Amino acid sequence: AQSVTQPDIHITVSEGASLELRCNYSYGATPYLFWYVQSPGQGLQLLLKYFSGDTLVQGIKGFEAEFKRSQSSFNLRKPSVHWSDAAEYFCAVVSSGTYKYIFGTGTRLKVLA
Amino acid sequence: DTEVTQTPKHLVMGMTNKKSLKCEQHMGHRAMYWYKQKAKKPPELMFVYSYEKLSINESVPSRFSPECPNSSLLNLHLHALQPEDSALYLCASSHVQGVNEQFFGPGTRLTVL
Repeated sequence: AQSVTQPDIHITVSEGASLELRCNYSYGATPYLFWYVQSPGQGLQLLLKYFSGDTLVQGIKGFEAEFKRSQSSFNLRKPSVHWSDAAEYFCAVVSSGTYKYIFGTGTRLKVLA
Repeated sequence: DTEVTQTPKHLVMGMTNKKSLKCEQHMGHRAMYWYKQKAKKPPELMFVYSYEKLSINESVPSRFSPECPNSSLLNLHLHALQPEDSALYLCASSHVQGVNEQFFGPGTRLTVL
């Protein structure tokens, strides 16, 4: 069965530090992958997506992610975190056939001033 | 216009009430979605409409009744809800139902007393 795992429930970083959020997927074919961010009580905003091609994907707000097929990973990175990046981050893969999103459980990011 | 709007932002209702949630998009998208999100959890898919027809119903109880009057509008009619139905209800849309990014609205925070 297709699945997405975000191993880190909580991550705390200092403002200005680098960030990496992990995402591992289980999928038979070429996955279609997304990272979304959700501020408290808000909807989800798309940060970036991977469909094919270049494995390093640039997104909004200075985020990037790297698709590594050999590791079944799609980790999100940012070189310097801002206090406004504190939020919940969800990785998702589109399931084949039904085209439903399969979300990871999320990673809550806390940023220390 | 690249946003999905939802009304109301907050809703408090009793278990015998009937209420409706509204979602609107003017991006020309032909797929629309309802999700339910409990605190600290990822969104759970409830319904998918494709070209104004119900495409997916994730075995949602009949006290939730979706409606898609036209390609821009999606409603969720609520009747005889239970306190455990309290959650953030998110609407999303995408170009078509498939391998596409979904655009999420800000959600309606529903409290059932």
